[in-house]
Amino acid sequence: GQQLNQSPQSMFIQEGEDVSMNCTSSSIFNTWLWYKQDPGEGPVLLIALYKAGELTSNGRLTAQFGITRKDSFLNISASIPSDVGIYFCAGSSYNNNDMRFGAGTRLTVKP
Amino acid sequence: EPEVTQTPSHQVTQMGQEVILRCVPISNHLYFYWYRQILGQKVEFLVSFYNNEISEKSEIFDDQFSVERPDGSNFTLKIRSTKLEDSAMYFCASTILALGLSGPGQFFGPGTRLTVL
Repeated sequence: GQQLNQSPQSMFIQEGEDVSMNCTSSSIFNTWLWYKQDPGEGPVLLIALYKAGELTSNGRLTAQFGITRKDSFLNISASIPSDVGIYFCAGSSYNNNDMRFGAGTRLTVKP
Repeated sequence: EPEVTQTPSHQVTQMGQEVILRCVPISNHLYFYWYRQILGQKVEFLVSFYNNEISEKSEIFDDQFSVERPDGSNFTLKIRSTKLEDSAMYFCASTILALGLSGPGQFFGPGTRLTVL
């Protein structure tokens, strides 16, 4: 089955620093989604990517769909305390209507 | 803003009992999904549903699980005979278009925490 590797597993940063996390896949995806999950809540969609090479921003967040269609990264610029949470990448392909999630990156932001 | 809702927020049940988890997807969405997240682990796909039938299911979605859209708004997940290892958060999600097609993305509900004793 499709394997998603997400890294890093966790990050501890100072407020104001930039953050980068990425996901790689063992197979080609046609969609990459990035989610943030706060404790006890459902994942909240941050950015959706549908084309290889696509670079999309949402405020301080920027995500890119890799040219090979097997990877994606998410950058957060000028982090703030409310960025704390777990960030998940997720991907799917045309030929199946399911979504595979990465293991998540736990972000801690120190004021 | 439209959102996916789920009930109950927390369900406690005895091993071997049947449970039904309920979801109301976003009203103009056509594709519906159930996911599971064991405490501290990643989100795992269970099943997708379109046009009143299952379109994909994972290896987790065995004969103990079933899904139904009993009316025009609800989407349910039934576990026939719960096991201890079924304890997890269960998330419902919905999309306008099939995954892999351009669109506003997949939106999740707040989840139901299932505890099997």
